[in-house]
Amino acid sequence: DGGITQSPKYLFRKEGQNVTLSCEQNLNHDAMYWYRQDPGQGLRLIYYSQIVNDFQKGDIAEGYSVSREKKESFPLTVTSAQKNPTAFYLCASRRDNSPLHFGNGTRLTVT
Amino acid sequence: LAKTTQPISMDSYEGQEVNITCSHNNIATNDYITWYQQFPSQGPRFIIQGYKTKVTNEVASLFIPADRKSSTLSLPRVSLSDTAVYYCLVNTGFQKLVFGTGTRLLVSP
Repeated sequence: DGGITQSPKYLFRKEGQNVTLSCEQNLNHDAMYWYRQDPGQGLRLIYYSQIVNDFQKGDIAEGYSVSREKKESFPLTVTSAQKNPTAFYLCASRRDNSPLHFGNGTRLTVT
Repeated sequence: LAKTTQPISMDSYEGQEVNITCSHNNIATNDYITWYQQFPSQGPRFIIQGYKTKVTNEVASLFIPADRKSSTLSLPRVSLSDTAVYYCLVNTGFQKLVFGTGTRLLVSP
């Protein structure tokens, strides 16, 4: 089955450590997205990528970094510079103007 | 980019029809309107997408007036399992896709 895989589902880190969240898709989609969701809140755009080796900042990019070396993969690194990293992180992809397909998310807890 | 505005929450009872309206005053000519459903701790799931007039699928209908500055998602005969957050999104040709705050629907017995 085609889809988007986010791993791990739960992730725990100590404050001050960088952590990388994985997002892989086998839908042959060009565009990929990372969103952050805090409890009871909507989705906020962190980064997005239209094609390989290109990505753009979203509304809350500070403290995050991404790479897009392969079409299928769009990993997100939460750096120690991110002041409040504990959140639910969602990855999505789409082709052209089709609707977004979302993964099941990674819940990151930093203590 | 077209900003969307939705009611924060709505309450309904099982078997009723629910209509959730979204305003998007700055929608561009080539933009589509897309609705998603999200359950806790899951990624949003696509419900329906439309450009103008009316679109219907097996789970919902989408009504878009001629000026396209708003849209209404209609859920017929809701059940308890329809309790979720519903987002409307202006699906723009630009790649930056920004969600609004969503509408939290609570369906009671």
